[in-house]
Amino acid sequence: GQQVMQIPQYQHVQEGEDFTTYCNSSTTLSNIQWYKQRPGGHPVFLIQLVKSGEVKKQKRLTFQFGEAKKNSSLHITATQTTDVGTYFCVRGNTGKLIFGQGTTLQVKP
Amino acid sequence: NAGVTQTPKFQVLKTGQSMTLQCAQDMNHNSMYWYRQDPGMGLRLIYYSASEGTTDKGEVPNGYNVSRLNKREFSLRLESAAPSQTSVYFCASSEATGFSPLHFGNGTRLTVT
Repeated sequence: GQQVMQIPQYQHVQEGEDFTTYCNSSTTLSNIQWYKQRPGGHPVFLIQLVKSGEVKKQKRLTFQFGEAKKNSSLHITATQTTDVGTYFCVRGNTGKLIFGQGTTLQVKP
Repeated sequence: NAGVTQTPKFQVLKTGQSMTLQCAQDMNHNSMYWYRQDPGMGLRLIYYSASEGTTDKGEVPNGYNVSRLNKREFSLRLESAAPSQTSVYFCASSEATGFSPLHFGNGTRLTVT
């Protein structure tokens, strides 16, 4: 189907450690979006990737789109307690934006 | 600007009751969406409206109806609520369908007993 699979489902890290979440699709993606949802909040848009092999950075966050446009990753360097939340990849398609199941990040201070 | 406004914030229904969730956006966006979020399930698309006057089914449309009242407003109706519809409901809007960032409301927490 049109699912995007995200791994891992949960990740616990010590503050200062790095964190990576992966998003995989069996079909080619036209674009991929990433969102963050804090506990009790609503998803907030982080970034959109469109081009094959694209890499974008936002401070400690690095987003990559695979060469085949079937996978994407979000890497956080030196996590902080403010990074706690659930990170979703979202496949863009005509008419529909389908969410992955998300990766929930816990950061121990 | 308020962005995306959802009402109510909380609602408790009994099985079989009906209700309408309201959503309005003030960003002049063309597309609007309704998602539900259950623990461990991520967000699942119920219905969306690519533009004023059109609506389409998403991943989990059964038990719901929608109305795109005008460009600003997109409502979600539960005709006969069931306990399986206990969830957090999010409305979102975007400039265009499928390729623009989603802007979310704060959600409605619905419990059906």
